[in-house]
Amino acid sequence: GAVVSQHPSRVICKSGTSVKIECRSLDFQATTMFWYRQFPKKSLMLMATSNEGSKATYEQGVEKDKFLINHASLTLSTLTVTSAHPEDSSFYICSALRTEQFFGPGTRLTVL
Amino acid sequence: GQQLNQSPQSMFIQEGEDVSMNCTSSSIFNTWLWYKQDPGEGPVLLIALYKAGELTSNGRLTAQFGITRKDSFLNISASIPSDVGIYFCAGRGNTGKLIFGQGTTLQVKP
Repeated sequence: GAVVSQHPSRVICKSGTSVKIECRSLDFQATTMFWYRQFPKKSLMLMATSNEGSKATYEQGVEKDKFLINHASLTLSTLTVTSAHPEDSSFYICSALRTEQFFGPGTRLTVL
Repeated sequence: GQQLNQSPQSMFIQEGEDVSMNCTSSSIFNTWLWYKQDPGEGPVLLIALYKAGELTSNGRLTAQFGITRKDSFLNISASIPSDVGIYFCAGRGNTGKLIFGQGTTLQVKP
């Protein structure tokens, strides 16, 4: 199979703090990973494409200084939400590209 | 930009019934994918289609890549309670990025 994990599965933080979310491909190497955001009852919105060993490509309207992405190895990409605010509360989902995109289980972020 | 229109938005059916949902695009796609998402989880890939006219099955699921390359449908036969969830179509065009439909929420009454 193509298994992708995310950690943590849910996190609650105070406004102004930073939160790091990890995305790992467990049984394959992924040069490319993706980060999505999903609002309740809505579809997935691509935030950025993460490429191993190079800078991430951000979608229009996504602040790269706020959503820091690091893809330091072929099995790990991280998303850091810096200076989080309540409006950053959302469901964040990563995917790793093998033949197709395989998704992680998601991370529920709640910013108080 | 490319847009996907997925319908219906939601369905409430009786166990054992067949289900059909579809997606249409404003432009041509090279790949059509169908995912299922359970509450609080990430999407799971059900079927991938790569050629116009391609018809592919995965158990009780059948999906087709439309001849015009602008549409795809997913059928579920003999629905069961565990089919409940949100089904997303996704298309990939020349940009290489996946574009997702709005989702179809399926509820199955035992």
